[in-house]
Amino acid sequence: QVQLVQSGAEVKNPGASVKISCKASGYTFTTYVIHWVRQAPGQRLEWMGWIDTDNGNTKYSQNFQGRVTITRDTSATTTYMELSSLRFEDTAVYYCARDDCSNGVCFLYWGQGSLVTVSS
Amino acid sequence: QTVVTQEPSLTVSPGGTVTLTCASTTGAVTSANYPNWFQQKPGQAPRALIYSTNNKPSWTPARFSGSLLGGKAALTLSGVQPDDEAEYYCLLFYGGVQPLVFGGGTKLTVL
Repeated sequence: QVQLVQSGAEVKNPGASVKISCKASGYTFTTYVIHWVRQAPGQRLEWMGWIDTDNGNTKYSQNFQGRVTITRDTSATTTYMELSSLRFEDTAVYYCARDDCSNGVCFLYWGQGSLVTVSS
Repeated sequence: QTVVTQEPSLTVSPGGTVTLTCASTTGAVTSANYPNWFQQKPGQAPRALIYSTNNKPSWTPARFSGSLLGGKAALTLSGVQPDDEAEYYCLLFYGGVQPLVFGGGTKLTVL
């Protein structure tokens, strides 16, 4: 069955970087785009970016002003999201999601989420 | 900056029908926005309910349906059950510089 398993919780200082992983199993990794979405406490979901796992092409939300980088390792069937220059307001649960639609967008499968806490 | 707006909260009685909507500051929502709807319960990841306006993954109950209504995307729940109490988010596709935007969410209370 399709599974997206994310890395564990992280605590970081302001100004640091965090790198979260999302390991895929149960399907051919390079067939589907992976998106990253975050949710600050009590806030709405926020789309961060996507990666085409086949060719590595990426697209990022302008809201992160170059602080986010999404990569993938096809041999490890894993996608990574790195967020730099962390601020207190980056405290959130970060999710990866698989896009099952070749025409349009549909986040049918989600990881369990990774909590990132930014604290001094 | 594109903003996607949902009702902050709605209340429905068990067995009743309720419609949640999703509006865009850019104008009418169309099928080209590929509206998606997600259900999220406390402490859980979102779960896909509807994609591309009115398509359902295999796990979505028949009582959930998606449509376009008066320039907005809409999610209708018919025969609401207590287990439907949750936060519901819509997602719209725009392409361009900022391709994807989530709505603010609707907290649905079943009372």
